[in-house]
Amino acid sequence: DAGVIQSPRHEVTEMGQEVTLRCKPISGHDYLFWYRQTMMRGLELLIYFNNNVPIDDSGMPEDRFSAKMPNASFSTLKIQPSEPRDSAVYFCASSPRPGLAGLYNEQFFGPGTRLTVL
Amino acid sequence: AQRVTQPEKLLSVFKGAPVELKCNYSYSGSPELFWYVQYSRQRLQLLLRHISRESIKGFTADLNKGETSFHLKKPFAQEEDSAMYYCALPGGATNKLIFGTGTLLAVQP
Repeated sequence: DAGVIQSPRHEVTEMGQEVTLRCKPISGHDYLFWYRQTMMRGLELLIYFNNNVPIDDSGMPEDRFSAKMPNASFSTLKIQPSEPRDSAVYFCASSPRPGLAGLYNEQFFGPGTRLTVL
Repeated sequence: AQRVTQPEKLLSVFKGAPVELKCNYSYSGSPELFWYVQYSRQRLQLLLRHISRESIKGFTADLNKGETSFHLKKPFAQEEDSAMYYCALPGGATNKLIFGTGTLLAVQP
């Protein structure tokens, strides 16, 4: 298994352009998470899905950000229009449903997409 | 509200020295806490979780409810321990975690 797959790995764009980040979770995982990593704020949860349904999008910074999960094997995070302050590394992670170990199962992270908005 | 604090952005130690990465939390109830690690050019991955009570790569973390802390410790640091470490706690819903701002550990030779 290749693990969580993200594309592109690097994206450089100009302010005002639309950016689409893609994620393929590990097969069989029910949960999918989108995070943003910056030096100042660390790892912030933007939104997460359970069985393709958005559960909590309270971390989405603005209406410029949107996320979809049309099926169990694909999700997108879109920024439109992009701004320089959106520059960060965006991670996707997936997780199986919790089992006997407790309410919180291990999250498996993708390699991240480094976004630079000029 | 749930909150996790990692007060140090950077911790630099020499090889063989003890390491303690600090994590303090705010949580009502008995939290399930985690440490995740990101080595250079590798993916963020789970290092350990307190309910497992394991020692992973020589690291241990004890939950101190009185001090609301979950510090990560290792008696003798190795150069390969250099990485970014994140403490995480439950975010109030199944499988949702809140991560701290991270601490970059640099082990000098």
